[in-house]
Amino acid sequence: NAGVMQNPRHLVRRRGQEARLRCSPMKGHSHVYWYRQLPEEGLKFMVYLQKENIIDESGMPKERFSAEFPKEGPSILRIQQVVRGDSAAYFCASSLRDFTSGANVLTFGAGSRLTVL
Amino acid sequence: KQEVTQIPAALSVPEGENLVLNCSFTDSAIYNLQWFRQDPGKGLTSLLLIQSSQREQTSGRLNASLDKSSGRSTLYIAASQPGDSATYLCAVSPNAGNNRKLIWGLGTSLAVNP
Repeated sequence: NAGVMQNPRHLVRRRGQEARLRCSPMKGHSHVYWYRQLPEEGLKFMVYLQKENIIDESGMPKERFSAEFPKEGPSILRIQQVVRGDSAAYFCASSLRDFTSGANVLTFGAGSRLTVL
Repeated sequence: KQEVTQIPAALSVPEGENLVLNCSFTDSAIYNLQWFRQDPGKGLTSLLLIQSSQREQTSGRLNASLDKSSGRSTLYIAASQPGDSATYLCAVSPNAGNNRKLIWGLGTSLAVNP
Protein backbone atom coordinates (compact mmCIF):
# COMPACT_ATOMS: atom_id res chain seq x y z
CA ASN A 1 0.00 0.00 0.00
CA ALA A 2 1.72 3.13 -1.23
CA GLY A 3 -0.14 5.45 1.11
CA VAL A 4 -1.53 8.78 0.02
CA MET A 5 0.30 9.94 -3.08
CA GLN A 6 0.48 13.57 -4.03
CA ASN A 7 1.98 15.05 -7.14
CA PRO A 8 3.71 17.10 -8.11
CA ARG A 9 5.77 17.45 -4.97
CA HIS A 10 6.96 20.85 -6.08
CA LEU A 11 5.27 23.15 -8.56
CA VAL A 12 6.38 26.57 -9.72
CA ARG A 13 3.95 28.82 -11.50
CA ARG A 14 3.97 32.44 -12.64
CA ARG A 15 1.20 34.77 -11.61
CA GLY A 16 -1.90 34.20 -13.70
CA GLN A 17 -1.16 30.58 -14.56
CA GLU A 18 -3.14 27.57 -13.40
CA ALA A 19 -1.96 25.06 -10.82
CA ARG A 20 -3.28 21.51 -10.62
CA LEU A 21 -2.46 19.37 -7.63
CA ARG A 22 -3.28 15.69 -7.57
CA CYS A 23 -4.00 13.33 -4.73
CA SER A 24 -4.42 9.58 -4.93
CA PRO A 25 -5.87 8.32 -1.65
CA MET A 26 -4.88 5.12 0.04
CA LYS A 27 -6.29 2.01 -1.57
CA GLY A 28 -9.85 1.53 -0.46
CA HIS A 29 -10.25 5.05 0.91
CA SER A 30 -13.12 7.03 -0.54
CA HIS A 31 -12.87 10.15 1.63
CA VAL A 32 -10.40 12.88 0.74
CA TYR A 33 -9.54 16.10 2.56
CA TRP A 34 -7.39 18.99 1.40
CA TYR A 35 -5.50 21.27 3.78
CA ARG A 36 -3.31 24.28 3.08
CA GLN A 37 -0.29 25.33 5.10
CA LEU A 38 0.71 28.91 4.46
CA PRO A 39 4.16 30.10 5.50
CA GLU A 40 4.26 30.84 9.24
CA GLU A 41 0.65 29.68 9.63
CA GLY A 42 -0.96 26.47 10.76
CA LEU A 43 -2.72 24.08 8.46
CA LYS A 44 -6.19 25.13 7.42
CA PHE A 45 -9.01 22.87 6.21
CA MET A 46 -10.04 23.57 2.65
CA VAL A 47 -12.40 20.93 1.33
CA TYR A 48 -13.76 17.44 2.00
CA LEU A 49 -14.81 15.17 -0.84
CA GLN A 50 -16.18 11.72 -1.33
CA LYS A 51 -16.21 10.02 -4.69
CA GLU A 52 -17.86 12.40 -7.17
CA ASN A 53 -19.21 14.62 -4.40
CA ILE A 54 -18.04 17.72 -2.59
CA ILE A 55 -19.25 17.36 0.97
CA ASP A 56 -17.80 20.48 2.55
CA GLU A 57 -15.92 23.24 0.78
CA SER A 58 -16.33 25.86 3.44
CA GLY A 59 -12.59 26.32 3.86
CA MET A 60 -11.87 26.96 0.22
CA PRO A 61 -11.64 30.47 -1.21
CA LYS A 62 -14.76 31.26 -3.20
CA GLU A 63 -12.89 32.32 -6.31
CA ARG A 64 -10.19 30.64 -8.36
CA PHE A 65 -10.13 27.43 -6.30
CA SER A 66 -11.99 24.24 -7.15
CA ALA A 67 -11.71 20.59 -6.23
CA GLU A 68 -12.98 17.34 -7.63
CA PHE A 69 -12.77 13.64 -6.87
CA PRO A 70 -14.01 11.78 -9.93
CA LYS A 71 -15.23 8.21 -9.96
CA GLU A 72 -11.99 7.17 -11.60
CA GLY A 73 -8.66 8.79 -10.94
CA PRO A 74 -7.17 11.07 -8.32
CA SER A 75 -8.66 14.01 -6.51
CA ILE A 76 -7.58 17.29 -8.06
CA LEU A 77 -7.24 20.69 -6.46
CA ARG A 78 -7.22 23.37 -9.12
CA ILE A 79 -6.12 26.94 -8.62
CA GLN A 80 -6.78 29.30 -11.49
CA GLN A 81 -4.94 32.57 -12.09
CA VAL A 82 -2.54 31.98 -9.25
CA VAL A 83 -1.25 34.85 -7.16
CA ARG A 84 1.79 35.05 -4.89
CA GLY A 85 -0.42 34.55 -1.84
CA ASP A 86 -1.29 31.05 -3.09
CA SER A 87 2.29 29.94 -2.41
CA ALA A 88 1.93 27.26 0.24
CA ALA A 89 2.12 23.58 0.97
CA TYR A 90 -1.07 21.74 0.07
CA PHE A 91 -1.71 18.51 1.93
CA CYS A 92 -4.15 15.82 1.04
CA ALA A 93 -5.45 13.24 3.50
CA SER A 94 -7.71 10.26 3.09
CA SER A 95 -9.75 8.03 5.35
CA LEU A 96 -11.54 4.75 4.99
CA ARG A 97 -14.78 6.11 6.33
CA ASP A 98 -16.07 9.44 7.45
CA PHE A 99 -13.38 10.77 9.75
CA THR A 100 -15.97 11.52 12.40
CA SER A 101 -16.84 7.84 12.72
CA GLY A 102 -15.09 6.87 15.89
CA ALA A 103 -11.33 7.06 15.89
CA ASN A 104 -10.92 6.69 12.16
CA VAL A 105 -7.51 8.09 11.39
CA LEU A 106 -6.55 10.44 8.61
CA THR A 107 -3.57 9.41 6.50
CA PHE A 108 -1.72 12.35 5.02
CA GLY A 109 0.32 12.65 1.88
CA ALA A 110 3.71 14.30 1.69
CA GLY A 111 2.24 17.50 0.33
CA SER A 112 2.62 19.57 -2.79
CA ARG A 113 4.58 22.77 -2.45
CA LEU A 114 3.39 25.52 -4.76
CA THR A 115 5.57 28.52 -5.44
CA VAL A 116 4.13 31.42 -7.38
CA LEU A 117 6.68 33.75 -8.91
CA LYS B 1 -13.61 30.69 17.73
CA GLN B 2 -11.32 27.76 18.51
CA GLU B 3 -7.64 28.57 18.65
CA VAL B 4 -4.81 26.12 19.23
CA THR B 5 -1.50 27.22 20.69
CA GLN B 6 1.66 25.19 21.04
CA ILE B 7 4.50 26.00 23.38
CA PRO B 8 7.42 26.08 22.96
CA ALA B 9 7.75 26.93 19.28
CA ALA B 10 11.16 25.28 19.21
CA LEU B 11 13.06 22.97 21.51
CA SER B 12 16.57 21.58 21.42
CA VAL B 13 17.57 18.82 23.82
CA PRO B 14 20.38 16.32 24.19
CA GLU B 15 19.68 12.71 23.39
CA GLY B 16 18.16 10.71 26.22
CA GLU B 17 16.18 13.51 27.82
CA ASN B 18 12.52 13.18 28.66
CA LEU B 19 10.55 16.10 27.33
CA VAL B 20 7.07 17.59 27.29
CA LEU B 21 5.37 19.47 24.49
CA ASN B 22 2.35 21.57 25.29
CA CYS B 23 -0.85 22.28 23.41
CA SER B 24 -3.67 24.52 24.57
CA PHE B 25 -7.06 25.20 23.01
CA THR B 26 -9.57 27.92 23.79
CA ASP B 27 -12.85 26.01 23.40
CA SER B 28 -13.24 22.86 25.48
CA ALA B 29 -16.05 21.55 23.25
CA ILE B 30 -13.86 19.23 21.21
CA TYR B 31 -14.58 15.87 19.60
CA ASN B 32 -11.01 14.66 19.82
CA LEU B 33 -7.41 15.83 19.80
CA GLN B 34 -4.55 14.46 17.78
CA TRP B 35 -0.81 14.78 17.83
CA PHE B 36 1.00 14.60 14.52
CA ARG B 37 4.59 14.54 13.47
CA GLN B 38 5.72 16.48 10.42
CA ASP B 39 8.99 15.55 8.76
CA PRO B 40 10.35 17.68 5.93
CA GLY B 41 9.26 16.23 2.61
CA LYS B 42 7.42 13.34 4.23
CA GLY B 43 4.04 14.74 5.11
CA LEU B 44 2.22 14.26 8.37
CA THR B 45 2.09 11.18 10.53
CA SER B 46 -0.62 10.71 13.14
CA LEU B 47 0.99 9.77 16.46
CA LEU B 48 -1.82 9.65 18.99
CA LEU B 49 -5.52 10.40 18.99
CA ILE B 50 -7.40 11.11 22.21
CA GLN B 51 -11.18 11.10 22.22
CA SER B 52 -12.85 13.79 24.31
CA SER B 53 -13.89 11.18 26.88
CA GLN B 54 -10.35 9.93 27.35
CA ARG B 55 -7.58 11.26 29.58
CA GLU B 56 -4.52 9.85 27.86
CA GLN B 57 -3.14 7.62 25.16
CA THR B 58 0.20 5.86 24.99
CA SER B 59 2.24 4.51 22.12
CA GLY B 60 5.74 3.29 22.83
CA ARG B 61 7.79 6.16 24.22
CA LEU B 62 4.98 8.64 23.60
CA ASN B 63 2.25 9.55 26.02
CA ALA B 64 -0.39 12.17 25.35
CA SER B 65 -2.71 13.52 28.00
CA LEU B 66 -5.87 15.54 27.68
CA ASP B 67 -7.47 17.88 30.21
CA LYS B 68 -10.50 19.12 28.36
CA SER B 69 -11.79 21.37 31.11
CA SER B 70 -8.57 23.37 31.21
CA GLY B 71 -8.07 23.22 27.46
CA ARG B 72 -4.71 21.51 27.58
CA SER B 73 -2.89 18.53 26.17
CA THR B 74 0.69 17.44 26.64
CA LEU B 75 2.83 15.10 24.61
CA TYR B 76 5.47 13.38 26.69
CA ILE B 77 8.43 11.83 24.91
CA ALA B 78 10.57 9.52 26.99
CA ALA B 79 14.27 8.91 26.38
CA SER B 80 14.41 11.12 23.31
CA GLN B 81 16.42 10.03 20.28
CA PRO B 82 17.84 11.96 17.31
CA GLY B 83 15.21 10.26 15.16
CA ASP B 84 12.56 12.09 17.14
CA SER B 85 13.69 15.36 15.58
CA ALA B 86 10.70 16.77 13.70
CA THR B 87 7.89 19.26 14.06
CA TYR B 88 5.09 18.10 16.33
CA LEU B 89 1.61 19.39 15.60
CA CYS B 90 -1.47 19.36 17.76
CA ALA B 91 -4.91 19.44 16.12
CA VAL B 92 -8.43 19.41 17.55
CA SER B 93 -11.71 18.37 16.01
CA PRO B 94 -14.49 20.70 17.07
CA ASN B 95 -17.53 19.14 18.67
CA ALA B 96 -20.06 21.19 16.78
CA GLY B 97 -20.68 21.27 13.09
CA ASN B 98 -18.13 19.68 10.84
CA ASN B 99 -15.73 17.55 12.85
CA ARG B 100 -13.51 17.19 9.82
CA LYS B 101 -12.23 20.71 10.10
CA LEU B 102 -9.21 19.96 12.19
CA ILE B 103 -7.89 23.12 13.82
CA TRP B 104 -4.14 23.12 14.07
CA GLY B 105 -1.47 24.64 16.20
CA LEU B 106 1.69 26.02 14.62
CA GLY B 107 3.77 23.18 15.99
CA THR B 108 6.85 22.67 18.12
CA SER B 109 10.07 22.14 16.22
CA LEU B 110 12.11 19.56 18.13
CA ALA B 111 15.80 18.91 17.67
CA VAL B 112 17.35 16.02 19.59
CA ASN B 113 21.11 16.27 19.52
CA PRO B 114 23.29 13.17 19.68
